Amino acid sequence: GESVGLHLPTLSVQEGDNSIINCAYSNSASDYFIWYKQESGKGPQFIIDIRSNMDKRQGQRVTVLLNKTVKHLSLQIAATQPGDSAVYFCAENEKLTFGTGTRLTIIP
Amino acid sequence: GAVVSQHPSWVICKSGTSVKIECRSLDFQATTMFWYRQFPKQSLMLMATSNEGSKATYEQGVEKDKFLINHASLTLSTLTVTSAHPEDSSFYICSANNRGRVNEQFFGPGTRLTVL
Repeated sequence: GESVGLHLPTLSVQEGDNSIINCAYSNSASDYFIWYKQESGKGPQFIIDIRSNMDKRQGQRVTVLLNKTVKHLSLQIAATQPGDSAVYFCAENEKLTFGTGTRLTIIP
Repeated sequence: GAVVSQHPSWVICKSGTSVKIECRSLDFQATTMFWYRQFPKQSLMLMATSNEGSKATYEQGVEKDKFLINHASLTLSTLTVTSAHPEDSSFYICSANNRGRVNEQFFGPGTRLTVL
């Protein structure tokens, strides 16, 4: 069946460094993708989204890249801070299918 | 804006009892609300999609008679876990679509259910 999955389950990054979280999807018909951040014991929080007619979108300290050719999505977080430590999920809309998630740990 | 609340935030109950979880959109009208379940260290799994005034659509493998969903208004959906058992212990999260921004879902803070 269709799936959205992440390459790496955990990622540790030194504070101040940049981090990249990857996501692979298999539904080539997907046209809208979202990255969510989930802190422990809380619901997911919207970070950034991108439509399939774009290959890059930037927000505050975050950038999402979409490569439709290889069905790959990535989230780049610049100048990481301790508050960035969380689990990050990519998802396809409208019926959200979440990937496994990557736990990002920022090392002080 | 676009705040979704859940109540209770956590609940502990005995096996065999029923538990109701509320999901409210506080400052917007939600055309659709979604219910997810998340087990420890796992991803969110969609359980059902709920549209105001109509029956919920359940995902494959989710028992509709066990997980009763009521969506009586554009700001409230409830999930009732009937005859709960320890295996139903999980983190239940709802989300809502803003009526004016259909593609964006806003998530509630989740409800931790522990069944003894």
